[in-house]
Amino acid sequence: NAGVTQTPKFRVLKTGQSMTLLCAQDMNHEYMYWYRQDPGMGLRLIHYSVGEGTTAKGEVPDGYNVSRLKKQNFLLGLESAAPSQTSVYFCASNRDSGHHNEQFFGPGTRLTVL
Amino acid sequence: AQKITQTQPGMFVQEKEAVTLDCTYDTSDPSYGLFWYKQPSSGEMIFLIYQGSYDQQNATEGRYSLNFQKARKSANLVISASQLGDSAMYFCAMSRPNTGNQFYFGTGTSLTVIP
Repeated sequence: NAGVTQTPKFRVLKTGQSMTLLCAQDMNHEYMYWYRQDPGMGLRLIHYSVGEGTTAKGEVPDGYNVSRLKKQNFLLGLESAAPSQTSVYFCASNRDSGHHNEQFFGPGTRLTVL
Repeated sequence: AQKITQTQPGMFVQEKEAVTLDCTYDTSDPSYGLFWYKQPSSGEMIFLIYQGSYDQQNATEGRYSLNFQKARKSANLVISASQLGDSAMYFCAMSRPNTGNQFYFGTGTSLTVIP
């Protein structure tokens, strides 16, 4: 199993450009999440999904959109990138709603917006 | 409101010694999970240990143990016999099962093991 994979690993954008980050998991997990990690702030939840076709806002959703058209994929979109969106983005998945379940993380995407 | 608090931005420990990383949490949910993750300089998030809110005994996983004090809302990570490879960022997290099983993360503690 590859676990959770993220594409791309690195990206540099100019202000106003758009891009999509792809997350894929092969563990048949129901729940998927997008986080951003900034220095000194830990991981903050952007959006999440509790199943195919569902999405919900997390703590910091502004400026981002997501889609979960297939169970194994969770896409994060930036329509008009801003320098404040420079961050490391992590995707994670969870088997279901059991509070004992750990979240499995992808390797991260380092995004720089100039 | 801050859900998870890690008050130690940086910690140092001598190789082979034990170290405790602090974590306090805030919730009114009766059912929740507490987790610790390790993030080495390479960046990946590695799950270390889990403690459930109803668990009577402290969780242990090899050299890792979780000192769970429910009344004080603390879930400290204890690493015994520290190794150089333990140098990393450590994050405490709490799950909220009725909200899409969201995780709240602390701001992390940077641990440096000194040879």
